[in-house]
Amino acid sequence: DAGVIQSPRHEVTEMGQEVTLRCKPISGHNSLFWYRQTMMRGLELLIYFNNNVPIDDSGMPEDRFSAKMPNASFSTLKIQPSEPRDSAVYFCASREGDYAGELFFGEGSRLTVL
Amino acid sequence: QQQVKQSPQSLIVQKGGIPIINCAYENTAFDYFPWYQQFPGKGPALLIAIRPDVSEKKEGRFTISFNKSAKQFSLHIMDSQPGDSATYFCAARAGSNYQLIWGAGTKLIIKP
Repeated sequence: DAGVIQSPRHEVTEMGQEVTLRCKPISGHNSLFWYRQTMMRGLELLIYFNNNVPIDDSGMPEDRFSAKMPNASFSTLKIQPSEPRDSAVYFCASREGDYAGELFFGEGSRLTVL
Repeated sequence: QQQVKQSPQSLIVQKGGIPIINCAYENTAFDYFPWYQQFPGKGPALLIAIRPDVSEKKEGRFTISFNKSAKQFSLHIMDSQPGDSATYFCAARAGSNYQLIWGAGTKLIIKP
């Protein structure tokens, strides 16, 4: 398996623009997580999907953030409108099973909002 | 109570030395304690994990020591190498809870 695939790897955008980050989890994994990583706040869980259903979105910072998982092999994280404080590395991770087992992370999408 | 406190924030060790990274927790419901390793430009990857029914677990040069009464656990790297330079995260999870509680991370540099 190719692992968790994220795109784009790098995104530079102007404040106010819409940003869409994409994730393809490992085939057969039914849990998907979006994390944000910054120096100040470390790894923050944004949203958790199980079997394509959002279970916990309490970590989504504001209404400007939204996430979807239309099928088992694809998820998006959208920021609209983007702000400079959204600059971070966004990771997608998947896991086989509901709560046990190893998290497999993608290589991340580094977002810079100018 | 949901926090995992990790120290030190950064650590520099000479090649061959034994870096030690410590984590402490309060929630006695935690029953799974993994360590993840992250190289620059990559996502974290599972390194080693322990459950509280054992006091120590070794995988190659990496050892987790677990002290249930003190609610602390630590990662030791034997015969450290420059290739071990990375950021290390401890984490904890309680029972069937889906969420990992993450430490703040330790940036480790192994000098040649």
